[in-house]
Amino acid sequence: KAGVTQTPRYLIKTRGQQVTLSCSPISGHRSVSWYQQTPGQGLQFLFEYFSETQRNKGNFPGRFSGRQFSNSRSEMNVSTLELGDSALYLCASSSSTSLETQYFGPGTRLLVL
Amino acid sequence: TQLLEQSPQFLSIQEGENLTVYCNSSSVFSSLQWYRQEPGEGPVLLVTVVTGGEVKKLKRLTFQFGDARKDSSLHITAAQPGDTGLYLCAGFTSGTYKYIFGTGTRLKVLA
Repeated sequence: KAGVTQTPRYLIKTRGQQVTLSCSPISGHRSVSWYQQTPGQGLQFLFEYFSETQRNKGNFPGRFSGRQFSNSRSEMNVSTLELGDSALYLCASSSSTSLETQYFGPGTRLLVL
Repeated sequence: TQLLEQSPQFLSIQEGENLTVYCNSSSVFSSLQWYRQEPGEGPVLLVTVVTGGEVKKLKRLTFQFGDARKDSSLHITAAQPGDTGLYLCAGFTSGTYKYIFGTGTRLKVLA
């Protein structure tokens, strides 16, 4: 099976712009989670989707949003980018029969100038 | 708020030495995972432990889940430069489908 894929791998944006990141989970996995990773804060949970419904949400401002499609692919959007949004954004998927085990994609490195 | 504290934060050792990384919480988890992450890449799953007191071995790596399912440890025997990376533990709560990641342990093994 192919692993979790994320596009793009690298992205440079300027303050005030918006960005959309994409994640394709492992085939058959219906749960997709998003994380932000920075050197100072570590891995911070953004949100989790299961069967197109947001099931959990972390403590991030409303500028961060996401969605999941019927094929389980997911996107996250960040509007009005700030310098502090520069980070590695990671997507992880898990199967409904083994929710405790997440498989991560390679991440999207976002740099906000 | 659930927290997972890892110790030590940083570890630099010589090839061939043994080491232990700890992951502690005041909360009970349904299961706990260990990951290793290399720079610019996503975390790679090493193991999932589910039962309190469970011990799992993966070649030179030994993972233990505490009896009360609040803590875990990772022991590496005869560390090699290829073990270098960021080690992360993550606790999962099945009732809320929530993961909490640990603060991370950055390991460097010198040849």
